[in-house]
Amino acid sequence: ETGVTQTPRHLVMGMTNKKSLKCEQHLGHNAMYWYKQSAKKPLELMFVYSLEERVENNSVPSRFSPECPNSSHLFLHLHTLQPEDSALYLCASSQEQGSDTQYFGPGTRLTVL
Amino acid sequence: DQQVKQNSPSLSVQEGRISILNCDYTNSMFDYFLWYKKYPAEGPTFLISISSIKDKNEDGRFTVFLNKSAKHLSLHIVPSQPGDSAVYFCAASDSNYQLIWGAGTKLIIKP
Repeated sequence: ETGVTQTPRHLVMGMTNKKSLKCEQHLGHNAMYWYKQSAKKPLELMFVYSLEERVENNSVPSRFSPECPNSSHLFLHLHTLQPEDSALYLCASSQEQGSDTQYFGPGTRLTVL
Repeated sequence: DQQVKQNSPSLSVQEGRISILNCDYTNSMFDYFLWYKKYPAEGPTFLISISSIKDKNEDGRFTVFLNKSAKHLSLHIVPSQPGDSAVYFCAASDSNYQLIWGAGTKLIIKP
């Protein structure tokens, strides 16, 4: 049990839909992350939050919109996605932003039709 | 431009033998390296790490070797067990604390 949960585990959406991914960590960590895992590609860091403030946005398209209402919850709001956005989206947390060891959730498998 | 490369997409090893997973990097500013293991339908879990001031770190069956001059690190698993079958990710960190990840290597342990 990682202490990081993600919902839903699987999501299929059309390009005109709006959906949200949810991540919750029960570890008392101060930093949270969104990653994208495409097949046979390196994990891509999307967003970093530290103490609920966004500290990093790695040139992610605006159709992905993160939200961090408190240090335990992280959302990724999705709208007008493209088929190439289909991937596994992983949430992670760490004690501090500078901590090297991150704890990952199980991921949300997203399919955009 | 991948700064961390795992050139073998998959590796098949007989149970009981040694598994060697390789990782190359290009950025000489990386000072901390980690290996993560991922089972299907789960997120990556931390396995072992090494600081750039060391060239070897051992934890049970797992040993990570770092060759800074070659910008190369490897993970040795000995003896390999069926439960080791998973995807292994190499990751590197610099002073900005971002983790840069390789694409992963799928390890298959044959009985």
